[in-house]
Amino acid sequence: QSALTQPPSASGSPGQSVTISCTGTSSDVGGYNYVSWYQQHPGKAPKLMIFDVSKRPSGVPDRFSGSRSGNTASLTVSGLLAEDEAYYYCSSYAGTNWVFGGGTKLTVL
Amino acid sequence: QVHLVESGGGVVQPGRSLRLSCAASGFTFSRNAMHWVRQAPGQGLEWVAVIRHDGTNEQYADSVKGRFTIFRDNSKNTLYLQMSSLKDEDTAVYYCAKDLSGSYTVDYWGQGILVTVSS
Repeated sequence: QSALTQPPSASGSPGQSVTISCTGTSSDVGGYNYVSWYQQHPGKAPKLMIFDVSKRPSGVPDRFSGSRSGNTASLTVSGLLAEDEAYYYCSSYAGTNWVFGGGTKLTVL
Repeated sequence: QVHLVESGGGVVQPGRSLRLSCAASGFTFSRNAMHWVRQAPGQGLEWVAVIRHDGTNEQYADSVKGRFTIFRDNSKNTLYLQMSSLKDEDTAVYYCAKDLSGSYTVDYWGQGILVTVSS
C-alpha cells in the first residue's frame, strides 16, 4: 500500500497551463481505470475534480483535464485562475484498497 | 444535495478507544459504499477503510487493520468507525466519504472531525 508519487509543488501565472504528474505502478494507476484527482483548499474538505482517469463531475470547469500514460496519470489545469491555488491529490483504486499521492501545492503566481 | 456530518472526535489517550459516526443525507445511503479517509496535521490524505453498500464486506489500510472496524446502519443512514488501541500516529482529521456508484471513486466528503491521540 505505497503512496503514489507527486511533485511537492507546481506553479504558473494566470492564464497559463500547468500539469501535475502522479506516478504509481501496474497494481494501481496502470492497472485500473479508477484514477481520480482532488482539490483541497486550506481547512476545507477535498473536492473531486477528475474521476475514471479523465472524466469531469458536473460543475467542474473544463479547464481541468486528466490523462494517463502507463503508470503515470496527469492533471492539467488550463487558463489558470487565482482560485485554482490549492493542494491537489491523485488517488487510485488498487484492487482491495485505495492509495493517494502525497499532494502537490499549486501556486498561481 | 449530499451531506455528510462526522461526530465523535476529540482527545483520547494512547491505547484507548473511540467511535466516530457519520450521518448521511441527500442520497440513498443504502446504495453506496462508504469510506473513511484521514489526514494527519499538515500531511496528505490516507485512505483508511471502505464498506460495501450492504455492509457485507470491508477493507482496511494495513496501518489500521486489526485495530479499526468500519460498520454501518442503513436504517439510520449512519456510518461508523470504531477505533481501538489508538496510537499517536492515528492523530488526524477523519473524513467520512461517499463512493461513486459504478466507479471505485470517492466523490463526496464530509467536513472532517479531528481525533487527537495524546497522553
